[in-house]
Amino acid sequence: GQNIDQPTEMTATEGAIVQINCTYQTSGFNGLFWYQQHAGEAPTFLSYNVLDGLEEKGRFSSFLSRSKGYSYLLLKELQMKDSASYLCAAGINYGQNFVFGPGTRLSVLP
Amino acid sequence: DGGITQSPKYLFRKEGQNVTLSCEQNLNHDAMYWYRQDPGQGLRLIYYSQIVNDFQKGDIAEGYSVSREKKESFPLTVTSAQKNPTAFYLCASRDPGQAALSNQPQHFGDGTRLSIL
Repeated sequence: GQNIDQPTEMTATEGAIVQINCTYQTSGFNGLFWYQQHAGEAPTFLSYNVLDGLEEKGRFSSFLSRSKGYSYLLLKELQMKDSASYLCAAGINYGQNFVFGPGTRLSVLP
Repeated sequence: DGGITQSPKYLFRKEGQNVTLSCEQNLNHDAMYWYRQDPGQGLRLIYYSQIVNDFQKGDIAEGYSVSREKKESFPLTVTSAQKNPTAFYLCASRDPGQAALSNQPQHFGDGTRLSIL
């Protein structure tokens, strides 16, 4: 079956760095997406990895290891507005649809 | 501005009633999706459509129905057979691009929150 796992909750301090991990077991894997979702709102796209390695986008970076079925999202210089849920999603069936993880609720404290 | 519009924002269902959630997009995307999100959980796929006049069941299709008569529209009906419909429903669309290089993300609407009266 298709399975994605993430930690349920994380807490970090403003200005710090936090790493949110995601492990997956899927068939027809076609890339790993990260989304940010504030409470009661729509998810918004953050990053995408299909090849092994690190993708950097400003304060956000994402890493993928296909052989290990592992990804992480790295958030630097944390701000209060980064308090949100972060969803890991695997493209499956060669891009036809997606499997989402349970989401990691990140709380950024002053 | 291009985007996805879901309506209504809040919806209440009575026992034995069918209700329909609207999803319209003007992004010219071929693929559209419906997800259900329960408190503290991730998104679960209800139905998806890769092209007009075609749709596929997702992981939790029982008690739901969809249609895709137009590229822009993908309405979801929550039938009386769905015994636990209270949830946050999200519609998404996507440009599939080239299947082997599908780096196109999904674009989400603002959601409909459905509750039982």
